[in-house]
Amino acid sequence: SQQGEEDPQALSIQEGENATMNCSYKTSINNLQWYRQNSGRGLVHLILIRSNEREKHSGRLRVTLDTSKKSSSLLITASRAADTASYFCATPNQAGTALIFGKGTTLSVSS
Amino acid sequence: GAGVSQTPSNKVTEKGKYVELRCDPISGHTALYWYRQSLGQGPEFLIYFQGTGAADDSGLPNDRFFAVRPEGSVSTLKIQRTERGDSAVYLCASSLTGGTTGGGYGYTFGSGTRLTVV
Repeated sequence: SQQGEEDPQALSIQEGENATMNCSYKTSINNLQWYRQNSGRGLVHLILIRSNEREKHSGRLRVTLDTSKKSSSLLITASRAADTASYFCATPNQAGTALIFGKGTTLSVSS
Repeated sequence: GAGVSQTPSNKVTEKGKYVELRCDPISGHTALYWYRQSLGQGPEFLIYFQGTGAADDSGLPNDRFFAVRPEGSVSTLKIQRTERGDSAVYLCASSLTGGTTGGGYGYTFGSGTRLTVV
């Protein structure tokens, strides 16, 4: 069963705009991660945020984590056409042995 | 190697046949994971190896699926009596350490093997 669910399922924006994707999860976690997947390729790790952190930045990416609401958001600022991809949040399974992925948000950035 | 290598990149097989999918993880990564991804879905966890042993195989859908990692490096996912429902992209990932943080660096994924059962 999937732990995290991303919202929206699909997002279309223009270059230069910001893109925000959300992830909700069900059980307590010690970390949450975001991954990007370009069409037909493997997933690329973007950022990891631990449960004792509220916000983390990496380049144009900003991730927030609200453990009281069991939710996270990924913000991509000043988006580029190259940001077009699917974005997945991932949380630990109950055994803490592996990551469980949501269905993803498909982001389309047009120039 | 520099990244996680999966071979073959594509595999077409007939229903009922046996297939093997190979994963060569990043050198030094002790943890290895297999996932399966269907169109429009996120990766679905299959099995996790820590070293040579399968530490969590709870995601394997049935006993037609089996995986090995005999020397703690290369892993092979084996599917017997393939069914059309097995068609998917099979992803392999490795990480520096076991568990879910990968030592803080997360998982490194290969490009996957697209399996089509006809």
